[in-house]
Amino acid sequence: QKEVEQDPGPLSVPEGAIVSLNCTYSNSAFQYFMWYRQYSRKGPELLMYTYSSGNKEDGRFTAQVDKSSKYISLFIRDSQPSDSATYLCAIGKGNNRKLIWGLGTSLAVNP
Amino acid sequence: DSGVTQTPKHLITATGQRVTLRCSPRSGDLSVYWYQQSLDQGLQFLIQYYNGEERAKGNILERFSAQQFPDLHSELNLSSLELGDSALYFCASSVAGDPSSEAFFGQGTRLTVV
Repeated sequence: QKEVEQDPGPLSVPEGAIVSLNCTYSNSAFQYFMWYRQYSRKGPELLMYTYSSGNKEDGRFTAQVDKSSKYISLFIRDSQPSDSATYLCAIGKGNNRKLIWGLGTSLAVNP
Repeated sequence: DSGVTQTPKHLITATGQRVTLRCSPRSGDLSVYWYQQSLDQGLQFLIQYYNGEERAKGNILERFSAQQFPDLHSELNLSSLELGDSALYFCASSVAGDPSSEAFFGQGTRLTVV
């Protein structure tokens, strides 16, 4: 079993839809959770960083962590064509950045 | 533009050869990270340096080595290259080395081994 599993997609939604992206992880020792967005031919860029269970909101993005279920989600409200990208979850533990990454979910938002 | 510069952008080389990938971090960033991204394995953490010292090591092969120089730029050396080493190699940098310090990624070096 991989340490992090991510829905592979691809996901295709109409503009304005609410998008739900998810990852599950196997080791309860993981402490912090990140979501990155990666456009084609670009490096990943950080969207959200959380360190605890619960919700964290930033504009149209909400990150949700359920440590008891080892499940993390990213919600995108009022999705835009510019949100079309690959979304990667990354998890880690300890005071370093040895992140474990999901394979990414490809999202297409259609105008 | 993240401020992290990677050169070259593309590299094509033959099996058995050695290449060097270069990374210039954002101004003021002390920590540099190297990642390998392939379609089947996704992003894999290779190694982290902080202010010239190795800070953390991931799944980096013995054929690969890296260093961070006094001016804080970093190089990733890949030797005895195999077809399976073909991938995107990303460098990222952050001010500090802990996870709360946001890391900014370069645009990557696409390595093709033929």
